[in-house]
Amino acid sequence: SQTIHQWPATLVQPVGSPLSLECTVEGTSNPNLYWYRQAAGRGLQLLFYSVGIGQISSEVPQNLSASRPQDRQFILSSKKLLLSDSGFYLCAWTRGRGSGELFFGEGSRLTVL
Amino acid sequence: AQKVTQAQTEISVVEKEDVTLDCVYETRDTTYYLFWYKQPPSGELVFLIRRNSFDEQNEISGRYSWNFQKSTSSFNFTITASQVVDSAVYFCARGNMLTFGGGTRLMVKP
Repeated sequence: SQTIHQWPATLVQPVGSPLSLECTVEGTSNPNLYWYRQAAGRGLQLLFYSVGIGQISSEVPQNLSASRPQDRQFILSSKKLLLSDSGFYLCAWTRGRGSGELFFGEGSRLTVL
Repeated sequence: AQKVTQAQTEISVVEKEDVTLDCVYETRDTTYYLFWYKQPPSGELVFLIRRNSFDEQNEISGRYSWNFQKSTSSFNFTITASQVVDSAVYFCARGNMLTFGGGTRLMVKP
């Protein structure tokens, strides 16, 4: 069966510090991978998606970046965090193309102080 | 941008009441998918349903039912005889690249 994991689950970082959130999918190959952010009390915002290794599309300009060094690994990074980067980050995957069901990770709660 | 709108930000009901969560979407596509997800307090999103735009039949799954009206671009979700465990944030979404609505927080009180 397929599983998705992301870590860390909780992170408290000072403004200006770097960030690295990792997400891995097991039990499938060539997944489409996504990073979403959910600000407090708000909906889900698509940040990045990837259809293959090294292929990253950005939906929202910001100081975050994403990388996909391996087929089932998706990393969300920042060189210098801002207060506005605080939120709940969710990694997700779908099978291949089209509108398949999104499978979400457990989420990573980031607080920038 | 093609939006998904969930006008109800928060709904509070008493256990055993029926409740309907509204979802209105915009799309220029002739073929598309619609989804509902549940986000319990733990934070992880749980898939509830996917509906193809070609299929306008209403669907029922236990206490859950969905009313898809293509003419009004709506995909509403009804919970019958609500229970405290139904308390969560519910998101409507439209594919292919999923666009989510702002979510509706449902609180079911005992």
